[in-house]
Amino acid sequence: SQTIHQWPATLVQPVGSPLSLECTVEGTSNPNLYWYRQAAGRGLQLLFYSVGIGQISSEVPQNLSASRPQDRQFILSSKKLLLSDSGFYLCAAGGYLNSPLHFGNGTRLTVT
Amino acid sequence: GQQVMQIPQYQHVQEGEDFTTYCNSSTTLSNIQWYKQRPGGHPVFLIQLVKSGEVKKQKRLTFQFGEAKKNSSLHITATQTTDVGTYFCAGRTSGANNLFFGTGTRLTVIP
Repeated sequence: SQTIHQWPATLVQPVGSPLSLECTVEGTSNPNLYWYRQAAGRGLQLLFYSVGIGQISSEVPQNLSASRPQDRQFILSSKKLLLSDSGFYLCAAGGYLNSPLHFGNGTRLTVT
Repeated sequence: GQQVMQIPQYQHVQEGEDFTTYCNSSTTLSNIQWYKQRPGGHPVFLIQLVKSGEVKKQKRLTFQFGEAKKNSSLHITATQTTDVGTYFCAGRTSGANNLFFGTGTRLTVIP
């Protein structure tokens, strides 16, 4: 079974600072990888997904970017955080055709 | 773009009452999945429906996929306090890699 590692669990960053969130996956090779954001009490917004190394699809234009330097590593970055970037960031793996998504425990980001 | 809406947004029920959440897509889906997110936690996969008109049961939970494959429902019989959380549907169109989540229904069960 897949295990999704995400860190840190919580993060408080000032406006304008950079961001790097890392996600690694165990138990599978060549997974589809996803970054979702969830605002407080809201639904899941798909930010990026990747079907392979170096392949990134963006769903929402914004000041965030994603990279996949290795098969089981997915990174979410920002050069300058905005207040509106606050939220619960979830990495997920799987989802190929009919397979379910497995989520990491998430990172709760507060931009102050 | 693809949109998946869920109603209601919130539902408060007395323990023992039934609960239903409905999911509607603007486009035809190849499959639909349901997830549960406990407060403070991450979404956990419950089930997947693929066939038109499909019905699946998991103990007190009944899942349905509409004939047109554009809507789905989750029904919980005799809710318990352990059912508390937010229930999301998630749909995928044919050949797509991305999974679009519904807006979610937050269930509160009053003991």
